[in-house]
Amino acid sequence: EDQVTQSPEALRLQEGESSSLNCSYTVSGLRGLFWYRQDPGKGPEFLFTLYSAGEEKEKERLKATLTKKESFLHITAPKPEDSATYLCAVRLGAQKLVFGQGTRLTINP
Amino acid sequence: DAGVIQSPRHEVTEMGQEVTLRCKPISGHDYLFWYRQTMMRGLELLIYFNNNVPIDDSGMPEDRFSAKMPNASFSTLKIQPSEPRDSAVYFCASSFMSGGAETQYFGPGTRLLVL
Repeated sequence: EDQVTQSPEALRLQEGESSSLNCSYTVSGLRGLFWYRQDPGKGPEFLFTLYSAGEEKEKERLKATLTKKESFLHITAPKPEDSATYLCAVRLGAQKLVFGQGTRLTINP
Repeated sequence: DAGVIQSPRHEVTEMGQEVTLRCKPISGHDYLFWYRQTMMRGLELLIYFNNNVPIDDSGMPEDRFSAKMPNASFSTLKIQPSEPRDSAVYFCASSFMSGGAETQYFGPGTRLLVL
């Protein structure tokens, strides 16, 4: 069965304290791995797409990496405004996305 | 562009009533998706359309749920009759398939509470 598992479920950091979020997947025929950010009461907001092992994408304090079985979202020197739930999803077949449960990230000032 | 537009933003109804959720995708996008998000099950795909045609409805929980896309700028998700377990946030998303790369853009969601 195709599965996407994110860890940890919740993470609390101090401002400036770097860390990583994990997304592991067991799918047949991966056709893209996506990271989204979701703020309370809002829809998910697209961050990155990764397609092949070894690929990396960066945006401000965030960097996403991909291996054959997992992806990491590295956050460097985070700020309180980076607090959100981060969702990982894998694309199966033509367009279907399967999402993980998310990691709730809190950055304390 | 205004992004994906959903209405209503909040809906409170009683068990047994019909509920209709509405979505306007981003202009020019040829895919439209309906998702449901709950604490227990996370974000789940219900159904998606390509060029107004339903492609995969395997995520629709049961016959009480139906979705339509009469034209490229409008879609509805209907629940009839509604039940308390349908309480969730329903998201609509749209995308444009170009060269094999696509990104789904989500609307703000409709928060549904069935009493």
